[in-house]
Order: sequence, then structure tokens, then C-alpha cells
Amino acid sequence: KQEVTQIPAALSVPEGENLVLNCSFTDSAIYNLQWFRQDPGKGLTSLLLIQSSQREQTSGRLNASLDKSSGRSTLYIAASQPGDSATYLCAVRLAGSRLTFGEGTQLTVNP
Amino acid sequence: NAGVTQTPKFQVLKTGQSMTLQCAQDMNHEYMSWYRQDPGMGLRLIHYSVGAGITDQGEVPNGYNVSRSTTEDFPLRLLSAAPSQTSVYFCASSKHPLLAEPYNEQFFGPGTRLTVL
Repeated sequence: KQEVTQIPAALSVPEGENLVLNCSFTDSAIYNLQWFRQDPGKGLTSLLLIQSSQREQTSGRLNASLDKSSGRSTLYIAASQPGDSATYLCAVRLAGSRLTFGEGTQLTVNP
Repeated sequence: NAGVTQTPKFQVLKTGQSMTLQCAQDMNHEYMSWYRQDPGMGLRLIHYSVGAGITDQGEVPNGYNVSRSTTEDFPLRLLSAAPSQTSVYFCASSKHPLLAEPYNEQFFGPGTRLTVL
């Protein structure tokens, strides 16, 4: 059974700092990995999707990397802002389209 | 293009009552699914569908029923609500898994917050 773990569970940083969120998964036979953002009381917003054949994807200040062989992905956020405060979830997609989610990292960026 | 929409946003039920959570998407996606999100448990798959007339169980299907009569709609029915079903429910959609892998992004609705007393 695929298990997804996100570390740390919570992170608090000052504004302007670069930071890394970690995601690990147990089954490397994934089709893709998706990073989401969730604001309190809201739904999930897709940030980045990395195909299994890719090593990284970038969108603005966000960069996600994928190392399938080691079962790891990282989400790098450059020059963090208070508006980045949210819970970040990673999810891996296996055959059959099921997504398995981690429990998320709750990020707080302090002004 | 509204994406994935869910109604209602909030609902309070008494134990034993039944209700239907509505989900609709306007992206012509074949694949639709329902998740529940609980503290300390993350998001867990309840049921999913790969097209009209085809549904299957996910990780936590007990107490829930689904049907898929159209591509656009995928309602989730609670047959007899229990306090353990208090949760936030999310509907998601994407292209057909066999046609669009590996770049197949899932889109989520805003969620329904359900409380069962």
C-alpha cells in the first residue's frame, strides 16, 4: 500500500526566507506527483504536477523536484511571503488514477 | 468555465438522516472522485468513476453510495448519517487515466463541510 509522508508537519518562517517542504512515498511506481495548496476552510488548489519521467517543474517562485528512485519530492518556495501561508499537500498518482495524499505541511510566513 | 462545483457548502444532519452531496464539472472530464478530509487522517478516497455508468469503491466506501448517469455529475449519497461521517468532503475530476497519463492533473471542488449530530 502506498504511503505518503510529509515533513515537517508545521513550519514557521520569517518573510523573505527560502524554504523547502518534503514529501516521501513508499511505492516508486507512480505516474505523477502533484503539489496542492489548501487555505483554511477552502478547497485544494493545484500548484505543480511532475510527471514520473520528469525531475522538476517550476512555476514562479515555486520549484518542485522528484526523485522516484528514492521516493522523494521537495517543494522549494523562494522569497516567501505572508500570502504563502497555507497547508501544502503532496499527492502521488498510481495506476488507476487513485491519488494518495500526505497529511500536509502547515506553513506560516511571518511578516 | 466554473471547474468543479459542490453544493451545499455546509450541512448539519441528525444521526440516521440521509442526504446527497452534489458535484458537477464542466471540463468534460471522464474521471471523478470523492474524498473526505479528517484531521490526522489526510484525504481518503471514498468512491470514484471513470465514466458514465461506471463506479468503484475507494479506501473508505462504507455508508456512502454513488452513481454516474452523466459525464458532468457525480453525486454522493449518505444513506443513514452517522457522527463518524462528520468531515469535509471534496469532489475531484480529471481526464480519463488511460488516455491522459502521466500528465493528468486533478481539479478539486471547494468542499462540503458536513456535521452529523
